[in-house]
Amino acid sequence: GQNIDQPTEMTATEGAIVQINCTYQTSGFNGLFWYQQHAGEAPTFLSYNVLDGLEEKGRISSFLSRSKGYSYLLLKELQMKDSASYLCAVREGGATNKLIFGTGTLLAVQP
Amino acid sequence: NAGVTQTPKFQVLKTGQSMTLQCAQDMNHEYMSWYRQDPGMGLRLIHYSVGAGITDQGEVPNGYNVSRSTTEDFPLRLLSAAPSQTSVYFCASSDPGTFSTFGSGTRLTVV
Repeated sequence: GQNIDQPTEMTATEGAIVQINCTYQTSGFNGLFWYQQHAGEAPTFLSYNVLDGLEEKGRISSFLSRSKGYSYLLLKELQMKDSASYLCAVREGGATNKLIFGTGTLLAVQP
Repeated sequence: NAGVTQTPKFQVLKTGQSMTLQCAQDMNHEYMSWYRQDPGMGLRLIHYSVGAGITDQGEVPNGYNVSRSTTEDFPLRLLSAAPSQTSVYFCASSDPGTFSTFGSGTRLTVV
């Protein structure tokens, strides 16, 4: 079956670092995406991994281990505007580009 | 460059009514898809299309129809609205191997 797990909620302090974990069990795998979604808005793309290892882009990093079915999103130098839901999504194999989403992690950044 | 445009932004329907949610993209993307987002359940795929004239069912297709007569447009039709279809609907588009761009969403209430 298809299963993607993320923590429901997390709290972190402004200026700190937060790691949001995602584990997955899917019938196919062709990449893992992280999206950010502010309340009442559309998801926006943050990061993408298809091979094992770390991808870094400014304050955002994402890690993937395909053998463990595990990914994390690392947000550094947290700002208040980072308060949002973070969605982990796995792209299935094949030619469909279909995404399977986790339920998302609601991050609250406190002063 | 508008990206992915969804209309309407808000809609209230009575049980049994039909309607079409519109989605248009101006990025010449091959793939388009419809998701619904419900509290605690994440984004779930309703229908998707890998190109003009080609559509297929996602995870929760019952009660919905789609068509893709052009690359740009991918309307979602509710045949006979039910309260269980109260949700936020997102349309997304992408090219093969790239991240999906989402529209701003349609908030639908069925009473």
